[in-house]
Amino acid sequence: DTGVSQNPRHKITKRGQNVTFRCDPISEHNRLYWYRQTLGQGPEFLTYFQNEAQLEKSRLLSDRFSAERPKGSFSTLEIQRTEQGDSAMYLCASSLARKDRKQETQYFGPGTRLLVL
Amino acid sequence: AQKVTQAQTEISVVEKEDVTLDCVYETRDTTYYLFWYKQPPSGELVFLIRRNSFDEQNEISGRYSWNFQKSTSSFNFTITASQVVDSAVYFCALVRGNEKLTFGTGTRLTIIP
Repeated sequence: DTGVSQNPRHKITKRGQNVTFRCDPISEHNRLYWYRQTLGQGPEFLTYFQNEAQLEKSRLLSDRFSAERPKGSFSTLEIQRTEQGDSAMYLCASSLARKDRKQETQYFGPGTRLLVL
Repeated sequence: AQKVTQAQTEISVVEKEDVTLDCVYETRDTTYYLFWYKQPPSGELVFLIRRNSFDEQNEISGRYSWNFQKSTSSFNFTITASQVVDSAVYFCALVRGNEKLTFGTGTRLTIIP
């Protein structure tokens, strides 16, 4: 059973450029989450999907950010016109949401570390 | 609103000592779940434990133990006989239903050989 994978692991870009990150969840998991973690802080929620539907977006997710999960499997997170403040670790997690609504553990990928110069 | 407080920013102990990491949470929900994750230098968050609000039994897993007390809204984590490999940042988190995790700011634990 493979875990959550994320690509790339590191990305350095210049301010104003667009970047795209990919997340592949654990295969049977129907929920996929994106979080952002800045230095010295805990991860902060950005958005999540159940299958292909985006169910919630944080106010942290400005108009420059867009996330998709077109076939209910992998997801992409795109940042347009990057700013230096976007420099952070972007973490993806997945879980299996059950009909009885009992919480299932979110398992995290290794993250993509973004540096905007 | 939900909030998790980890007041200990950094802790250093000598190897083989016991250490307790504190976690205090706030929520208005009666049903919720608490988690601990470990983040080693590689950056990946590693799941350690999940606890639901109706189960206040303490749990022990090897050198790790967790003390959940609803009366004080705390979910503390103790490592017994610490080892250098335990050095990491530890996060406590709170969630209700299948929704987003709310994390504390983490405690950086350093085990000195």
